[in-house]
Amino acid sequence: EAGVTQFPSHSVIEKGQTVTLRCDPISGHDNLYWYRRVMGKEIKFLLHFVKESKQDESGMPNNRFLAERTGGTYSTLKVQPAELEDSGVYFCASSQQGGYGYTFGSGTRLTVV
Amino acid sequence: TQLLEQSPQFLSIQEGENLTVYCNSSSVFSSLQWYRQEPGEGPVLLVTVVTGGEVKKLKRLTFQFGDARKDSSLHITAAQPGDTGLYLCAARSSGTYKYIFGTGTRLKVLA
Repeated sequence: EAGVTQFPSHSVIEKGQTVTLRCDPISGHDNLYWYRRVMGKEIKFLLHFVKESKQDESGMPNNRFLAERTGGTYSTLKVQPAELEDSGVYFCASSQQGGYGYTFGSGTRLTVV
Repeated sequence: TQLLEQSPQFLSIQEGENLTVYCNSSSVFSSLQWYRQEPGEGPVLLVTVVTGGEVKKLKRLTFQFGDARKDSSLHITAAQPGDTGLYLCAARSSGTYKYIFGTGTRLKVLA
């Protein structure tokens, strides 16, 4: 079975620009999660989708971040406008059962300059 | 704020040695996971433990969840260079599906 796919793998943008990250979960996984690691810190939760609905978005840092999951399939995470502190690695994970059996993607390394 | 402290932060050992990595918190969790991550990749799930005192084995890796479900350990027997990587624990509280990740233990096994 194909794993969780994220793209781009790397993105370098200027402060103030917009970037959209995409995640394709494992087919059939209703649960999709976004996490990120900023330099030197632990991986932190951003939000959780169940199908197309946002189950928990308590980790979203501010309203510059917008996540969507069209039709309950792939998900996008848009950062607009990007700030320097948004730099980090953004991971997506999916699971069949909520809270169990996570499979992570390889991540998108975002650098804001 | 819930925290998961891992120790040691760094560990460099010779092939064939045994080691134990610890994951500690003052909070009670409903489940705890261990992951291994290699450079440029996402974390790969090794095990999930849910019952206090539970012990799970995965080849040379032994995972234990503390009786009070506040801590966990990962023991590797006869470490191999292929065990090299970043080991992460992650735990979640009841009523939520989000995980809190630990600070990580970077293991290097020398041939």
